[in-house]
Amino acid sequence: GEDVEQSLFLSVREGDSSVINCTYTDSSSTYLYWYKQEPGAGLQLLTYIFSNMDMKQDQRLTVLLNKKDKHLSLRIADTQTGDSAIYFCAWNYGQNFVFGPGTRLSVLP
Amino acid sequence: DAGVIQSPRHEVTEMGQEVTLRCKPISGHNSLFWYRQTMMRGLELLIYFNNNVPIDDSGMPEDRFSAKMPNASFSTLKIQPSEPRDSAVYFCASSLGGAGTGELFFGEGSRLTVL
Repeated sequence: GEDVEQSLFLSVREGDSSVINCTYTDSSSTYLYWYKQEPGAGLQLLTYIFSNMDMKQDQRLTVLLNKKDKHLSLRIADTQTGDSAIYFCAWNYGQNFVFGPGTRLSVLP
Repeated sequence: DAGVIQSPRHEVTEMGQEVTLRCKPISGHNSLFWYRQTMMRGLELLIYFNNNVPIDDSGMPEDRFSAKMPNASFSTLKIQPSEPRDSAVYFCASSLGGAGTGELFFGEGSRLTVL
């Protein structure tokens, strides 16, 4: 079966960069995703990367994909208090989706 | 579009009672998923449908749980009888299936508390 590892907690100071890491087992996915869950809400797609790409940048977000090591990371530049949330890595597995356990990001003033 | 709509947002019930959670997916989406989220186990896939047909229900905890999708715009998740360990947030999500990037759109969840 699929197995995913994520650090459960991360604390950073406002203005610093945050790096959230994810390792996965399934290498056949077409897309890999980062979802964000704010308190009391459902998950929302933050960004995604096509599996044949190494990097994708979207404003403050940078996604890095190392397929050889099955490692996915999300970097948030100039982290703000509004970035405090739980971040899930995910990928498609056939018609299904597999989610990591989530990393709770706390942004300290 | 209104997004994925779930009801109720909150439900408190007593052990042994029947619970029915409802979901309206985004119009045009042909895949629907039910997830359960708890602090201990994180986000768990319970069941998903494609074109109203259940594809994988291996995540359904036990026979007390059942899910239906009678048409493309409505799905229910039923727990009968409910137990305190069923307390969780239940999310419904929909997607276009194999089309596009496969993004999942989540509802706001139904928070269930079983006393």
